[in-house]
Amino acid sequence: ETGVTQTPRHLVMGMTNKKSLKCEQHLGHNAMYWYKQSAKKPLELMFVYNFKEQTENNSVPSRFSPECPNSSHLFLHLHTLQPEDSALYLCASSQDGGSTQYFGPGTRLTVL
Amino acid sequence: AQSVTQLDSQVPVFEEAPVELRCNYSSSVSVYLFWYVQYPNQGLQLLLKYLSGSTLVKGINGFEAEFNKSQTSFHLRKPSVHISDTAEYFCAVSDPGSEKLDFGKGTKLTVNP
Repeated sequence: ETGVTQTPRHLVMGMTNKKSLKCEQHLGHNAMYWYKQSAKKPLELMFVYNFKEQTENNSVPSRFSPECPNSSHLFLHLHTLQPEDSALYLCASSQDGGSTQYFGPGTRLTVL
Repeated sequence: AQSVTQLDSQVPVFEEAPVELRCNYSSSVSVYLFWYVQYPNQGLQLLLKYLSGSTLVKGINGFEAEFNKSQTSFHLRKPSVHISDTAEYFCAVSDPGSEKLDFGKGTKLTVNP
């Protein structure tokens, strides 16, 4: 695998479920990001990890919980989500915190 | 944070016609500028970027963009589009060294035969 991969590509969950999104980057980068892409809105930065340390939490509700066990992997743990959380969740990575970001294909999340 | 404006939400064009997608950003001393493309059901792919140097930047798939500091613009152009260029295009701006990348709302380019 090359680049940035995300699994699953599609996820349907109920409001009481707990699920996790996974992102893996094969680029040797040390910074990783979660974004939310909703219809008719700009991409919203959710979290940034630099060298496994969280450096940005963009006022994201606590029902979203990120985890970065190493510089190649990033998770987004989901619990008790709301229908308005339905969106495309994109992961990205970069060599350093301020350099060019490379994106994965995204996970299309639907909350029923 | 930067404010990024993509003036056109949708741009329909015919195949082999030229196209320009507009992007303006709020002023800053220096910025990094990016254009990304998103094909249906896919993530964002980097088309081109301006970090410094020549104001005319060439990217993949025959696209180019010009950085205009006085007009705080970074418009994307292609002299002759193909059906396969149908996608959504996002302009993004960051302050040098910042982790934050501010995106515009996107422009949907539809290329018709």
